[in-house]
Amino acid sequence: NAGVTQTPKFQVLKTGQSMTLQCAQDMNHNSMYWYRQDPGMGLRLIYYSASEGTTDKGEVPNGYNVSRLNKREFSLRLESAAPSQTSVYFCASSPTGFTEAFFGQGTRLTVV
Amino acid sequence: LAKTTQPISMDSYEGQEVNITCSHNNIATNDYITWYQQFPSQGPRFIIQGYKTKVTNEVASLFIPADRKSSTLSLPRVSLSDTAVYYCLVGAGGTSYGKLTFGQGTILTVHP
Repeated sequence: NAGVTQTPKFQVLKTGQSMTLQCAQDMNHNSMYWYRQDPGMGLRLIYYSASEGTTDKGEVPNGYNVSRLNKREFSLRLESAAPSQTSVYFCASSPTGFTEAFFGQGTRLTVV
Repeated sequence: LAKTTQPISMDSYEGQEVNITCSHNNIATNDYITWYQQFPSQGPRFIIQGYKTKVTNEVASLFIPADRKSSTLSLPRVSLSDTAVYYCLVGAGGTSYGKLTFGQGTILTVHP
């Protein structure tokens, strides 16, 4: 039972570099989400995808782009990383809307 | 989406019952109330969800008064392993529209 798998688990980037965080779920869920969590803070929604083929902005979308590649995969791209994007990133999925969400292990990203 | 207000932190001792209250004065008719638990360095984990009155599972109980403007998560006989951050979320359940938004949460510390 893989659930929600995020890659990589750790990443260090230099300012201005780009990278894509990958997320895949094997539960046939319709909805997928990307969050960031800064030290001592709650989770902030970056983007979400209510269903395959749709994406919407969350609370803090600036500096990020997403792609819902298919029903299983939802990627998050940083085009030009900034130190302010240093955070732990969580991907999640749920059957639909406000039903139980399952989270990945997180990606710890440091931008220097 | 309904805004939620929770205490920032709570302290308890092993074996005690803990009640965490969440205020959501602007809850809509079709909104559900969901609680998540998050341990350090992990993604949140679903605890319980309810619409009205009382819901109980093997982990916790959720009490929702008739006006639904607040809810109380009850953790019976807590142990040290219940030390975590607890989040209250309010949103429309069972729809394809998904926007899971987390607030600051309540830091629960259980002491020996």
